[in-house]
Amino acid sequence: ETGVTQSPTHLIKTRGQQVTLRCSSQSGHNTVSWYQQALGQGPQFIFQYYREEENGRGNFPPRFSGLQFPNYSSELNVNALELDDSALYLCASSTSQGKAYEQYFGPGTRLTVT
Amino acid sequence: AQSVSQHNHHVILSEAASLELGCNYSYGGTVNLFWYVQYPGQHLQLLLKYFSGDPLVKGIKGFEAEFIKSKFSFNLRKPSVQWSDTAEYFCAVNPDSNYQLIWGAGTKLIIKP
Repeated sequence: ETGVTQSPTHLIKTRGQQVTLRCSSQSGHNTVSWYQQALGQGPQFIFQYYREEENGRGNFPPRFSGLQFPNYSSELNVNALELDDSALYLCASSTSQGKAYEQYFGPGTRLTVT
Repeated sequence: AQSVSQHNHHVILSEAASLELGCNYSYGGTVNLFWYVQYPGQHLQLLLKYFSGDPLVKGIKGFEAEFIKSKFSFNLRKPSVQWSDTAEYFCAVNPDSNYQLIWGAGTKLIIKP
């Protein structure tokens, strides 16, 4: 069983640029959630994708967008980067079955905006 | 707004000491509750979960947690900690089985050998 993988591991961007982060879900999982974890804080929910559609969104502006592909992998895109976007971005996959679910996390992508 | 509070940001204990990490949430409806752990250099892993039934749940590595609905709490406990328990612990709440997890800020636990 392959776990959740994310790429790249680290990334440095300049304010105003755009970035794309990638996530491959765990085998058998069809739902992907993205989180932002700033230093010293818990993860903050960005959005979730299920069957290639956004299934829910947290309190993040529209410049944070995403995609899910037929193989359930996912991308997180951030436009017009700001210094406060510097954080660890976590991807988690899960199944949609049942009323409650467990999320399995990838190692994260560390984004630094200068 | 829904929120999760973890009372201690840093805890330092000696090996064999007992552990209790507090977690309180603000939501009046049905919740699913989770504790995740992040060991140094590793990614978040599920430690234990509560969906329904017995409010005392047991997880991996000797951890347990008790859901007290009247106190909106889900405290994590371990009778005797080990040096290998050094990690950051996060409490997370899933309100009404909707799509998101709401997380506490985490507690960094350091176990002195």
